[in-house]
Amino acid sequence: GPKVLQIPSHQIIDMGQMVTLNCDPVSNHLYFYWYKQILGQQMEFLVNFYNGKVMEKSKLFKDQFSVERPDGSYFTLKIQPTALEDSAVYFCASSFARGHAEQFFGPGTRLTVL
Amino acid sequence: GQQVKQSSPSLTVQEGGISILNCDYENDMFDYFAWYKKYPDNSPTLLISVRSNVDKREDGRLTVFLNKSGKHFSLHITASQPEDTAVYLCAAGKGATGGNNKLTFGQGTVLSVIP
Repeated sequence: GPKVLQIPSHQIIDMGQMVTLNCDPVSNHLYFYWYKQILGQQMEFLVNFYNGKVMEKSKLFKDQFSVERPDGSYFTLKIQPTALEDSAVYFCASSFARGHAEQFFGPGTRLTVL
Repeated sequence: GQQVKQSSPSLTVQEGGISILNCDYENDMFDYFAWYKKYPDNSPTLLISVRSNVDKREDGRLTVFLNKSGKHFSLHITASQPEDTAVYLCAAGKGATGGNNKLTFGQGTVLSVIP
């Protein structure tokens, strides 16, 4: 079936540094999402993105977070600067439409902030 | 508080038996309910979903039951097989009326099917 890819699979950085997580969504999909899963907890919605704009964000989407998809390339999540509490697995998803459309997920990027 | 809750962190079923996974939710506005399957270090994959206008949906060995008054939905897997062993995530969202369908997930239930 359609696949969402995420690069890298693991990232270790020092607190205060910037990190960019990359997502290669399904090719004809128009809506993009990031979810965050802290170890031992459930996946939580961060943000969704359509037509170059953030549609909705949760309270977990701090001011240090930003998303973009320049020129139809990777959909990225940037954290600048990082904090210890940003350590988590970040899952990207995409869907062709909104509403009840199926969201296809990537395998996640495990981010460790030291 | 947790809007979507899977109260059983784990479930063990004999091969050939029925696996029943449960999920409770709080938000009356949810109108889309889904079950995802996840292997370690892999993508969550949609198994089956249902909208709030139906009580039940079947797909092969999978059946979703939705109880709106009880704010509860469940996944039944008949003839369970060892390859069904995985983490099962329930999720709910608001898809109608132009909703952005952000999904709210439960914590997951680890299903183990033993031969």
